[in-house]
Amino acid sequence: GDSVTQMEGPVTLSEEAFLTINCTYTATGYPSLFWYVQYPGEGLQLLLKATKADDKGSNKGFEATYRKETTSFHLEKGSVQVSDSAVYFCALRNRDDKIIFGKGTRLHILP
Amino acid sequence: DAGVIQSPRHEVTEMGQEVTLRCKPISGHDYLFWYRQTMMRGLELLIYFNNNVPIDDSGMPEDRFSAKMPNASFSTLKIQPSEPRDSAVYFCASSSSPGVTTGELFFGEGSRLTVL
Repeated sequence: GDSVTQMEGPVTLSEEAFLTINCTYTATGYPSLFWYVQYPGEGLQLLLKATKADDKGSNKGFEATYRKETTSFHLEKGSVQVSDSAVYFCALRNRDDKIIFGKGTRLHILP
Repeated sequence: DAGVIQSPRHEVTEMGQEVTLRCKPISGHDYLFWYRQTMMRGLELLIYFNNNVPIDDSGMPEDRFSAKMPNASFSTLKIQPSEPRDSAVYFCASSSSPGVTTGELFFGEGSRLTVL
């Protein structure tokens, strides 16, 4: 079945460091791809999205590019802040409208 | 606009008791999803509905779990009887059709269930 695999955490970085969180997917057809963020004690909220190959989603300094050839949607940010500390989830919406999440990657940013 | 509303926010119960979790989706959304989040398994899709009809319940762990959506503005997830391994945060999320938007989910704040 369709699935999402993302890098295990936790990831610990210093403030202003470069961030990459890897995400790959398995799905038939052309799923939509998403990154969600979860702050402590809250539900998930959409961070960015891409609906077709080569699309780049971006928001709050975060970016991810839909790469069909490598079935990947890696999350990047050039300079992280302490306030970016959260759990990040990669997800896909498949042709049956089923939305599947990766297991999440916890990010800690040290001041 | 009101977001997805879940209740209760916290529930502590004893093994064997019935638990009912409730969700009110965003008005106009025609998809509703129930997820369970644990440290060990991450975010698992339990069931989802389209226009109040269950589409895929393959993620429901076993017959002790059931979900209903009697109308467009209300859904329940019931566990009977509950067991300690059911302890988790249960999220409800809703979305509009992908043809209308890109189909992103809007999540409630979750119901934290503890079964003793």
